[in-house]
Amino acid sequence: AIQVTQSPSSLTASVGDRVTITCRASQGIRKELGWYQQIPGKAPKVLIYGASSLQSGVPSRFSGSGSGKEFTLTISSLEPEDFATYFCLQDYSYPYTFGQGTKLEIK
Amino acid sequence: EVQLVESGGGLVKAGGSLRLSCTASGFTLSDYTMDWVRQAPGKGLEWVSSISSRYTYIYYADSVKGRFTISRDAAKNSVYLQLNSLGAEDTALYYCARKYISDHDFEAFDLWGQGTMVTVSS
Repeated sequence: AIQVTQSPSSLTASVGDRVTITCRASQGIRKELGWYQQIPGKAPKVLIYGASSLQSGVPSRFSGSGSGKEFTLTISSLEPEDFATYFCLQDYSYPYTFGQGTKLEIK
Repeated sequence: EVQLVESGGGLVKAGGSLRLSCTASGFTLSDYTMDWVRQAPGKGLEWVSSISSRYTYIYYADSVKGRFTISRDAAKNSVYLQLNSLGAEDTALYYCARKYISDHDFEAFDLWGQGTMVTVSS
């Protein structure tokens, strides 16, 4: 199975900050990676698919980049509602695998 | 309203079984590949199983292979997950999720249910 290593596991930032989260796959997965946001008590929500495609309705401050083994999620200017946990998911091959998650907390 | 609603979770003893259901409204579930994803309390997400729209393929995580069975019923607009030989490690919130495929064949889970909790006691 493809392993996905996500970092950091937690991150503290302020409203207005720019933050970046990284996922590394154990083998090349082309651009087949998505990013999901989960607010406590809620189901995950897709932000980015295909490494860099913004899901409809998601604010443009979210962006994704990368291909092959290394991927990043960037939030250009944090809003209060962005404090949540973020997961990447490789959907290149089964079994699909999620990153361990990054908990983004307010400073 | 377009939504997924899971049901069937509960408290079960180790070695027991449960059948989870995921029923769609507002769209035809049989047009989509459907997956199950679980989340143990306070933990991350774990992909569990996938069934394609025409039963072309079914996949399972190694951790559940041989114990869980995914199926679907177009007439009931539902997908199911049969859980057998349950252990404490299966305690989790189980979500069903719809797979969206873009024009460029990229995938995303674009619709999730609220989840149904499975608790396995020893």
